[in-house]
Parts: sequence; C-alpha cells; structure tokens
Amino acid sequence: EVHLVESGGGLVKPGGSLRLSCAASGFTFSYYSMNWVRQAPGKGLEWVSSIRDSSDYIYYADSVKGRFTISRDNAKNSLYLQMNSLRAEDTAVYYCARDRPGGFDSWGQGTLVTVSS
Amino acid sequence: DIQMTQSPSSLSASVGDRVTITCRASQSISSWLAWYQQKPGKAPKLLIYKASTLESGVPLRFSGSGSGTEFTLTISSLQPDDFATYYCQQYNSYWTFGQGTKVEIK
Repeated sequence: EVHLVESGGGLVKPGGSLRLSCAASGFTFSYYSMNWVRQAPGKGLEWVSSIRDSSDYIYYADSVKGRFTISRDNAKNSLYLQMNSLRAEDTAVYYCARDRPGGFDSWGQGTLVTVSS
Repeated sequence: DIQMTQSPSSLSASVGDRVTITCRASQSISSWLAWYQQKPGKAPKLLIYKASTLESGVPLRFSGSGSGTEFTLTISSLQPDDFATYYCQQYNSYWTFGQGTKVEIK
C-alpha cells in the first residue's frame, strides 16, 4: 500500500525558514514524479512544486519561485521542500502527492505550516 | 498560465439527485484533466483522470466528460458519502486546480 507521511511543519515567523519532508513507502519511489500541494485555511488547493523521478526537471508555482526549493533523495525514499523567506500567505497545510502521471493518485495526510509573528 | 474555473462554487442537493459540476479551462487542455474529492480535514482523493477515466475503486455513479476547454463531473445518484468539495485540475501545462465546488445536503 502506498504511504506518504509529511513532517516538519510548525509555527515560524515571517522571513523565517522551514524544511518539510515526505517519507514514501509501498512503491518504487524513484519511478515517480512527486509534488507539493498546499491548502490555506478554508481555501482551495494550490499546486506548489513538482520534481521528476530523477530530479532532472523541477517546476515551481510563481507564488513560491525563488523562495522554495524542492528536492528528493531516492535512496531514502524521501521528498523535501525547503521554504525560505516565509510570508503570512504561505500559511497552509502542505501535502506531498505522487504523480501517476495522469493525476495525483496518492496523497499524504498533510503538515500545517503557520507563518505568524 | 492556464486558469481553471468551476461552477457552481457550491450547491445543495438531496440523496438520489443527479449532480453536475462544470470546469472550464482558459485555453485548450485536450483531455488532461483530473477530478478530486476532498472531505473536511482529509487529503484529496483522485476520482477521474484524463477527463473521463474512472480511478480504480471509485463508484460507477461518478463520471467525467469533456475535452478542450469544457468539462463536467456528474454524480448520477448522490449518496450520503458524496457530500464533499470537488476540484478539477489541469495537467496539460504545469498543474492548476479549480477553486472547488462544495456539495452540501439540502
């Protein structure tokens, strides 16, 4: 069974940094592109970033470009999101999601990031 | 960037009703569209991909149609478990979600 578990969320001050992790199990992690998707409180889903299976292609939403960095370690079956220069509007639940491709077919439970002074 | 617009933003329906949600893309995305269901406090669940292909395990009362810029998600007979928020997502060029449609009990 596919299992994705996010961690690393928490409370951080504006301008601060945070690193999210996503531990994957139950499938061959190195075969799949992976994504981060976020959801602000009471709002809809927003795609944040994507990384191909071998890390050769990486994409970011304009809202996080230059501030967030996605990476992965296929040997550790792990996905990461380094978030710098955090703003109040980055407050959200952050999900990691597997790209089958053809839709995001597996999601973690999410980790809450709160940016507040 | 491709924008996705869902309508309506919310609807009230009764068990047994036929429900249709529309999703429009700002430019053609061929059939590169997925639909998700999300319940409060839970992660989204993939229902349909490539506009009309039902994900494994999803009940047959769910169906998707459309291509180009206009798409629909139909629930043929609404069940109590279907009250949730539904999102469309394009994956033709990067990834964009619609703003969501909340299906509430009438």
